[in-house]
Amino acid sequence: GAVVSQHPSWVICKSGTSVKIECRSLDFQATTMFWYRQFPKQSLMLMATSNEGSKATYEQGVEKDKFLINHASLTLSTLTVTSAHPEDSSFYICSASSPGREATEAFFGQGTRLTVV
Amino acid sequence: GQNIDQPTEMTATEGAIVQINCTYQTSGFNGLFWYQQHAGEAPTFLSYNVLDGLEEKGRFSSFLSRSKGYSYLLLKELQMKDSASYLCAVVGEDYKLSFGAGTTVTVRA
Repeated sequence: GAVVSQHPSWVICKSGTSVKIECRSLDFQATTMFWYRQFPKQSLMLMATSNEGSKATYEQGVEKDKFLINHASLTLSTLTVTSAHPEDSSFYICSASSPGREATEAFFGQGTRLTVV
Repeated sequence: GQNIDQPTEMTATEGAIVQINCTYQTSGFNGLFWYQQHAGEAPTFLSYNVLDGLEEKGRFSSFLSRSKGYSYLLLKELQMKDSASYLCAVVGEDYKLSFGAGTTVTVRA
């Protein structure tokens, strides 16, 4: 199956700082990438849909100025959590899909555990 | 909006069978996924159903009834490594995935 690599796997940062998470599709070109957030014992919640070369589409309630998404190439999307606060501590997961594959097929990265102290 | 329900927890004995039910009410339907997720890890794909019926893949099977808004994941010959969270996810009319809260399955010896 396709491989999506997410980095870093975990990060601890101080409150007020920014953290960048990378999501790479290693063996296919991902025109669309999705960013999810998962709090303990809860479901994955879609934060935003990122399309290569265009602005991300954010879900209701997600602050676009706080969660900056860049999808500059067909193999890389980044999520930057700006001015992080303890309540942003969560598990962030990306997934990627591309045309030519089953339209609904999505491959997940390993996830990033963010802890803001 | 999307509403996806599945039980919170289930416990079963090694070697047994467990069935995880999922009911959904969504805006449009373009398929249903089941994923397995171990603690602290990303979900891994188990199955995909878009037509009614049973899909069998080794020890795991998944069933779908679109008219009833219902699916189940059947895990046979349970092994300790099957202890995980199982996520039901529906693809809506916008082709986005909406996840259920997950069912934590605990396999006991």
